[in-house]
Amino acid sequence: EVQLVESGGGLVKSGGSLRLSCAASGFGFKNAWMSWVRQAPGKGLEWVGRSISESDGGKTEYGGALKGRFTISRDDSKNTLYLQMNNLKTEDTGVYFCATENLGGQADWGQGTLVTVSS
Amino acid sequence: DVVMTQSPLSLSVTLGQPASISCRSSQGLLYGDGKTYLTWFQQRPGQSPRRLIYFVSNRDSGVPDRFSGSGSGTDFTLKISRVEAEDVGIYYCMQGTHWPPGYTFGQGTKLEIK
Repeated sequence: EVQLVESGGGLVKSGGSLRLSCAASGFGFKNAWMSWVRQAPGKGLEWVGRSISESDGGKTEYGGALKGRFTISRDDSKNTLYLQMNNLKTEDTGVYFCATENLGGQADWGQGTLVTVSS
Repeated sequence: DVVMTQSPLSLSVTLGQPASISCRSSQGLLYGDGKTYLTWFQQRPGQSPRRLIYFVSNRDSGVPDRFSGSGSGTDFTLKISRVEAEDVGIYYCMQGTHWPPGYTFGQGTKLEIK
């Protein structure tokens, strides 16, 4: 069974940094494409970015609105995906989900971790 | 950038009745490999999203067959043949054809029971 467990969320002041983790199990993480998706309180879904498996080129790609503040990385030896968020803004507040990718979209999702950025 | 527009934004349906959600993209979603990267998700209250449909009309494993997807080009539809109480939630369409900008979601359609 696929399991994705996000952690690392919390309260941070505007301008601060946070690193989220997504621990994966139940599937071949090394060959998986992985996404981060976020959801502001009471709002819709926004794709943050993704990590493509090393065997498929190892690229990372990001949604256009982030302007270089977010960095996605992975440690295949630990079956873990990361999201490093710098210079956080109040509008970055929300739940951050990690998800596996296949067949053109996000297949399995974690439960999410809440990030709150205060002014 | 491609924009995904859903309608209606909210829907109130009697149990056992059908429901239909439209999703329109500002650009065609047929990719050069012949696939159309249009996905539907369901998000029940307090839960993570769940993928229902991929490549326009393919149901994910475990998704009831009362859910169906159709469409082509720029116009797509999610239909629920007979709404059940467990279908309450928000439904999102998403495109994955155009890169950049990458995956783009519709605004979501809230389904409630009348």
